[in-house]
Amino acid sequence: GAGVSQTPSNKVTEKGKYVELRCDPISGHTALYWYRQSLGQGPEFLIYFQGTGAADDSGLPNDRFFAVRPEGSVSTLKIQRTERGDSAVYLCASSLGTATDTQYFGPGTRLTVL
Amino acid sequence: AQKITQTQPGMFVQEKEAVTLDCTYDTSDQSYGLFWYKQPSSGEMIFLIYQGSYDEQNATEGRYSLNFQKARKSANLVISASQLGDSAMYFCAMDRSARQLTFGSGTQLTVLP
Repeated sequence: GAGVSQTPSNKVTEKGKYVELRCDPISGHTALYWYRQSLGQGPEFLIYFQGTGAADDSGLPNDRFFAVRPEGSVSTLKIQRTERGDSAVYLCASSLGTATDTQYFGPGTRLTVL
Repeated sequence: AQKITQTQPGMFVQEKEAVTLDCTYDTSDQSYGLFWYKQPSSGEMIFLIYQGSYDEQNATEGRYSLNFQKARKSANLVISASQLGDSAMYFCAMDRSARQLTFGSGTQLTVLP
Protein backbone atom coordinates (compact mmCIF):
# COMPACT_ATOMS: atom_id res chain seq x y z
CA GLY A 1 0.00 0.00 0.00
CA ALA A 2 0.92 3.66 -0.14
CA GLY A 3 3.39 5.04 2.34
CA VAL A 4 3.35 8.33 4.20
CA SER A 5 3.15 11.26 1.83
CA GLN A 6 4.11 14.86 2.48
CA THR A 7 3.48 18.00 0.51
CA PRO A 8 5.10 20.12 -0.67
CA SER A 9 8.46 18.43 -1.04
CA ASN A 10 10.15 21.81 -0.99
CA LYS A 11 8.96 25.15 0.32
CA VAL A 12 10.83 28.42 0.07
CA THR A 13 9.40 31.37 1.94
CA GLU A 14 10.43 34.74 3.24
CA LYS A 15 11.06 35.61 6.84
CA GLY A 16 7.84 36.55 8.58
CA LYS A 17 5.53 34.59 6.29
CA TYR A 18 3.10 31.83 7.26
CA VAL A 19 3.53 28.28 5.96
CA GLU A 20 1.55 25.05 6.08
CA LEU A 21 3.05 21.61 5.65
CA ARG A 22 0.82 18.64 4.97
CA CYS A 23 1.15 14.98 5.95
CA ASP A 24 -0.99 12.09 4.73
CA PRO A 25 -0.32 8.99 6.88
CA ILE A 26 -0.53 5.33 5.99
CA SER A 27 -4.15 4.21 5.83
CA GLY A 28 -5.27 2.72 9.12
CA HIS A 29 -2.52 4.31 11.19
CA THR A 30 -4.01 6.11 14.15
CA ALA A 31 -0.79 7.67 15.44
CA LEU A 32 0.95 10.51 13.61
CA TYR A 33 4.20 12.27 14.48
CA TRP A 34 6.04 15.37 13.32
CA TYR A 35 9.81 15.71 13.57
CA ARG A 36 12.25 18.40 12.48
CA GLN A 37 15.70 17.56 11.11
CA SER A 38 18.35 20.23 10.86
CA LEU A 39 21.35 19.75 8.61
CA GLY A 40 23.75 17.13 9.92
CA GLN A 41 21.60 16.13 12.85
CA GLY A 42 19.10 13.46 13.77
CA PRO A 43 15.38 14.23 13.71
CA GLU A 44 13.91 15.98 16.74
CA PHE A 45 10.40 15.30 17.96
CA LEU A 46 7.81 18.04 17.63
CA ILE A 47 4.33 16.62 18.25
CA TYR A 48 2.40 13.35 18.40
CA PHE A 49 -1.26 12.75 17.59
CA GLN A 50 -3.34 9.78 18.63
CA GLY A 51 -6.47 10.09 16.54
CA THR A 52 -7.56 13.69 16.34
CA GLY A 53 -5.97 14.91 19.55
CA ALA A 54 -2.42 16.02 20.24
CA ALA A 55 -1.25 13.50 22.83
CA ASP A 56 2.15 15.13 23.26
CA ASP A 57 3.19 18.54 21.92
CA SER A 58 6.19 18.97 24.20
CA GLY A 59 8.59 19.24 21.28
CA LEU A 60 7.05 22.31 19.67
CA PRO A 61 9.72 25.01 20.04
CA ASN A 62 7.38 27.95 20.64
CA ASP A 63 3.87 29.20 20.02
CA ARG A 64 4.60 30.00 16.38
CA PHE A 65 4.28 26.29 15.69
CA PHE A 66 0.92 24.57 15.66
CA ALA A 67 -0.40 21.31 14.22
CA VAL A 68 -3.86 19.92 13.61
CA ARG A 69 -5.39 16.61 12.60
CA PRO A 70 -9.10 17.38 12.48
CA GLU A 71 -10.40 14.08 11.12
CA GLY A 72 -7.77 11.75 12.50
CA SER A 73 -6.03 11.24 9.19
CA VAL A 74 -4.28 14.09 7.36
CA SER A 75 -2.30 16.48 9.52
CA THR A 76 -1.09 20.00 8.87
CA LEU A 77 1.88 21.62 10.59
CA LYS A 78 1.51 25.39 10.65
CA ILE A 79 4.32 27.84 11.25
CA GLN A 80 3.57 31.52 11.79
CA ARG A 81 5.99 34.41 11.35
CA THR A 82 8.72 32.14 10.02
CA GLU A 83 12.31 32.77 11.01
CA ARG A 84 15.53 31.77 9.26
CA GLY A 85 16.18 29.30 12.08
CA ASP A 86 13.05 27.39 11.08
CA SER A 87 14.83 26.21 7.94
CA ALA A 88 15.02 22.41 8.16
CA VAL A 89 13.48 19.22 6.82
CA TYR A 90 10.14 18.50 8.46
CA LEU A 91 9.43 14.80 8.67
CA CYS A 92 6.10 13.15 9.31
CA ALA A 93 5.68 9.57 10.51
CA SER A 94 2.74 7.34 11.26
CA SER A 95 2.20 4.11 13.16
CA LEU A 96 -0.54 1.73 14.18
CA GLY A 97 -0.80 3.36 17.58
CA THR A 98 -0.01 0.28 19.64
CA ALA A 99 2.65 0.13 22.31
CA THR A 100 6.20 0.49 21.00
CA ASP A 101 5.16 0.09 17.39
CA THR A 102 7.25 1.08 14.40
CA GLN A 103 7.01 4.57 12.98
CA TYR A 104 7.12 4.85 9.20
CA PHE A 105 8.37 8.10 7.78
CA GLY A 106 7.44 10.20 4.80
CA PRO A 107 9.94 11.82 2.43
CA GLY A 108 9.87 15.11 4.31
CA THR A 109 9.33 18.73 3.38
CA ARG A 110 12.43 20.87 3.02
CA LEU A 111 11.60 24.34 4.32
CA THR A 112 13.89 27.22 3.48
CA VAL A 113 13.25 30.61 5.06
CA LEU A 114 15.08 33.41 3.29
CA ALA B 1 15.73 12.18 29.97
CA GLN B 2 16.65 9.80 27.21
CA LYS B 3 19.82 10.07 25.21
CA ILE B 4 21.23 8.21 22.22
CA THR B 5 24.95 8.37 21.43
CA GLN B 6 26.47 7.41 18.11
CA THR B 7 30.22 7.96 18.33
CA GLN B 8 31.13 7.19 14.71
CA PRO B 9 30.39 10.18 12.46
CA GLY B 10 31.65 8.23 9.44
CA MET B 11 32.49 4.64 8.61
CA PHE B 12 33.95 2.93 5.54
CA VAL B 13 33.51 -0.73 4.62
CA GLN B 14 34.54 -2.81 1.67
CA GLU B 15 31.76 -4.29 -0.41
CA LYS B 16 30.71 -7.78 0.76
CA GLU B 17 32.27 -7.30 4.20
CA ALA B 18 30.39 -6.91 7.50
CA VAL B 19 30.26 -3.65 9.44
CA THR B 20 29.14 -2.71 12.94
CA LEU B 21 27.61 0.66 13.71
CA ASP B 22 27.73 1.62 17.37
CA CYS B 23 24.87 2.94 19.48
CA THR B 24 24.66 3.48 23.23
CA TYR B 25 21.66 4.78 25.07
CA ASP B 26 20.72 6.21 28.41
CA THR B 27 17.31 5.87 29.99
CA SER B 28 15.75 5.27 33.38
CA ASP B 29 12.74 3.54 31.82
CA GLN B 30 12.35 -0.22 32.20
CA SER B 31 10.31 -0.63 29.03
CA TYR B 32 11.60 0.88 25.82
CA GLY B 33 12.22 0.09 22.19
CA LEU B 34 15.35 0.52 20.11
CA PHE B 35 15.24 1.19 16.39
CA TRP B 36 17.62 1.63 13.51
CA TYR B 37 16.73 3.73 10.48
CA LYS B 38 18.57 4.28 7.21
CA GLN B 39 18.48 7.65 5.50
CA PRO B 40 19.83 7.68 1.93
CA SER B 41 20.72 10.92 0.22
CA SER B 42 17.12 11.14 -0.99
CA GLY B 43 16.17 11.99 2.60
CA GLU B 44 13.54 9.41 3.47
CA MET B 45 13.93 7.55 6.78
CA ILE B 46 13.70 3.81 6.16
CA PHE B 47 12.97 1.49 9.08
CA LEU B 48 15.48 -1.35 9.36
CA ILE B 49 15.13 -3.22 12.65
CA TYR B 50 13.55 -3.09 16.11
CA GLN B 51 14.55 -4.49 19.52
CA GLY B 52 12.33 -4.37 22.60
CA SER B 53 13.95 -3.96 25.99
CA TYR B 54 12.42 -7.22 27.22
CA ASP B 55 13.37 -9.23 24.14
CA GLU B 56 15.91 -11.85 25.14
CA GLN B 57 17.09 -12.64 21.64
CA ASN B 58 18.84 -10.22 19.33
CA ALA B 59 16.65 -9.01 16.50
CA THR B 60 17.50 -9.97 12.92
CA GLU B 61 16.07 -8.78 9.61
CA GLY B 62 17.77 -10.21 6.57
CA ARG B 63 21.31 -8.80 6.44
CA TYR B 64 20.66 -6.63 9.50
CA SER B 65 21.08 -7.77 13.07
CA LEU B 66 20.99 -5.83 16.30
CA ASN B 67 23.59 -6.69 18.93
CA PHE B 68 21.65 -5.80 22.09
CA GLN B 69 23.62 -5.68 25.35
CA LYS B 70 21.23 -4.40 27.96
CA ALA B 71 23.70 -4.21 30.84
CA ARG B 72 26.03 -2.06 28.73
CA LYS B 73 23.09 -0.10 27.29
CA SER B 74 24.27 -0.70 23.75
CA ALA B 75 22.34 -1.58 20.61
CA ASN B 76 24.82 -1.91 17.78
CA LEU B 77 23.69 -2.55 14.21
CA VAL B 78 25.53 -5.22 12.25
CA ILE B 79 25.22 -5.23 8.47
CA SER B 80 26.50 -8.39 6.85
CA ALA B 81 27.69 -8.68 3.24
CA SER B 82 27.66 -4.92 2.60
CA GLN B 83 26.33 -3.69 -0.72
CA LEU B 84 26.94 -0.41 -2.53
CA GLY B 85 23.31 0.50 -1.91
CA ASP B 86 23.95 0.39 1.84
CA SER B 87 25.81 3.70 1.61
CA ALA B 88 23.67 6.09 3.63
CA MET B 89 23.26 7.78 6.99
CA TYR B 90 22.19 5.41 9.76
CA PHE B 91 20.32 6.56 12.85
CA CYS B 92 19.78 4.75 16.11
CA ALA B 93 16.62 5.75 17.98
CA MET B 94 14.73 4.91 21.15
CA ASP B 95 11.16 5.29 22.25
CA ARG B 96 9.33 4.82 25.53
CA SER B 97 5.83 5.12 26.86
CA ALA B 98 5.74 8.71 25.68
CA ARG B 99 5.92 7.34 22.15
CA GLN B 100 8.26 9.96 20.75
CA LEU B 101 11.50 8.75 19.22
CA THR B 102 14.82 10.13 20.41
CA PHE B 103 17.48 9.92 17.70
CA GLY B 104 21.24 9.87 17.78
CA SER B 105 23.37 12.09 15.57
CA GLY B 106 23.87 9.38 12.98
CA THR B 107 26.70 7.52 11.26
CA GLN B 108 27.50 8.08 7.59
CA LEU B 109 28.34 4.69 6.08
CA THR B 110 30.22 4.49 2.79
CA VAL B 111 30.56 1.14 1.05
CA LEU B 112 33.62 0.94 -1.17
CA PRO B 113 33.64 -1.16 -4.36
